[in-house]
Amino acid sequence: DQQVKQNSPSLSVQEGRISILNCDYTNSMFDYFLWYKKYPAEGPTFLISISSIKDKNEDGRFTVFLNKSAKHLSLHIVPSQPGDSAVYFCAASSRGGKLIFGQGTELSVKP
Amino acid sequence: DAMVIQNPRYQVTQFGKPVTLSCSQTLNHNVMYWYQQKSSQAPKLLFHYYDKDFNNEADTPDNFQSRRPNTSFCFLDIRSPGLGDAAMYLCATSRAPGASGTHEQYFGPGTRLTVT
Repeated sequence: DQQVKQNSPSLSVQEGRISILNCDYTNSMFDYFLWYKKYPAEGPTFLISISSIKDKNEDGRFTVFLNKSAKHLSLHIVPSQPGDSAVYFCAASSRGGKLIFGQGTELSVKP
Repeated sequence: DAMVIQNPRYQVTQFGKPVTLSCSQTLNHNVMYWYQQKSSQAPKLLFHYYDKDFNNEADTPDNFQSRRPNTSFCFLDIRSPGLGDAAMYLCATSRAPGASGTHEQYFGPGTRLTVT
């Protein structure tokens, strides 16, 4: 049973436009959500996170939105840059416990 | 720079031949994790250490063992690798539960294991 799902395996966006990556979860006990970015041959790097008491968190070009009623979160990147091309994983945890990862979405930003 | 280091980056082993992957950290984090990631799949947690306290995931095969001799180092031992164990193995660290930023895990670059 997959508790965290990223239904789009890939996304292609033009440079300068907005990238929207989506993530759905099933466990209502999750109280913290994170996005990680992974380049080939490297480990995932932490990008941005949000607590369940918030519905939005912004850091520069990156914004994460959380819709608890829909059990859905999204990562917005604007404007998208070619260097943003990577695999993005969302992850969730409950009460500081282990992270449950989605399968990842491969973002390609074309110049 | 504080970091998580994994050696080797690429490891080839023969079917059934024991192999050890290593991880070290300079972050002085209490918690160290081992994940297995196969192509196009989510990283799967195998086990983690909270200081010296070992926590195994229920579905982690007995073939996988771990050692943490001190705060900085953690090892993943695969006693009898099968073809299905070929994967990327990721080590990660985090602060202790309850500490600020505890949810964030810091990953090493991974070790790509090939079983022939």
